Amino acid sequence: DAKTTQPPSMDCAEGRAANLPCNHSTISGNEYVYWYRQIHSQGPQYIIHGLKNNETNEMASLIITEDRKSSTLILPHATLRDTAVYYCIVRVWGTSYGKLTFGQGTILTVHP
Amino acid sequence: NAGVTQTPKFQVLKTGQSMTLQCAQDMNHEYMSWYRQDPGMGLRLIHYSVGAGITDQGEVPNGYNVSRSTTEDFPLRLLSAAPSQTSVYFCASSYDAGVTEAFFGQGTRLTVV
Repeated sequence: DAKTTQPPSMDCAEGRAANLPCNHSTISGNEYVYWYRQIHSQGPQYIIHGLKNNETNEMASLIITEDRKSSTLILPHATLRDTAVYYCIVRVWGTSYGKLTFGQGTILTVHP
Repeated sequence: NAGVTQTPKFQVLKTGQSMTLQCAQDMNHEYMSWYRQDPGMGLRLIHYSVGAGITDQGEVPNGYNVSRSTTEDFPLRLLSAAPSQTSVYFCASSYDAGVTEAFFGQGTRLTVV
């Protein structure tokens, strides 16, 4: 699975959009981009995933560049409860089950 | 629908003791796995299972055993606890090995003294 690079930490004001970048320059054509988050040592929580098209759900939006070498997770209106570690993971569909490779992630702190 | 349930939430063991961390899911998921998380680090895969009766090793399997006799349960056994196994343990399940999301339990915080 391709390696990802994320900034170690980011800040965001409450109510503003939080844009979390992820670099995955070695991604292959059959690898998906997943985002999970972990709030204060709870179990990780799935947020969103995508292959090449932009995706949106009730939690967030995922923007993937045309060359697929990077992506951005967008939390449109961050709240204090969004303070967490956000993990960007690249994984091939249907293989390597169980091998969600978690890196260091980005610590997002949402300020009042 | 409880999702993924882990017990106990906290445990203190003495070096050399054995114990079993329990994990149960009620979503009829075929795929289950165990991770450990050490301070300041991401999660590392210990063992996983693709269905009842089938298990395989992950990244850090030494010192741990698993079995999968039912779809619902995937216990993790520490054979002889060591201080290096002090960690937070997470169990996860998902419907398949594909694109679907993984659901995680709330974790078991284990201290070995």
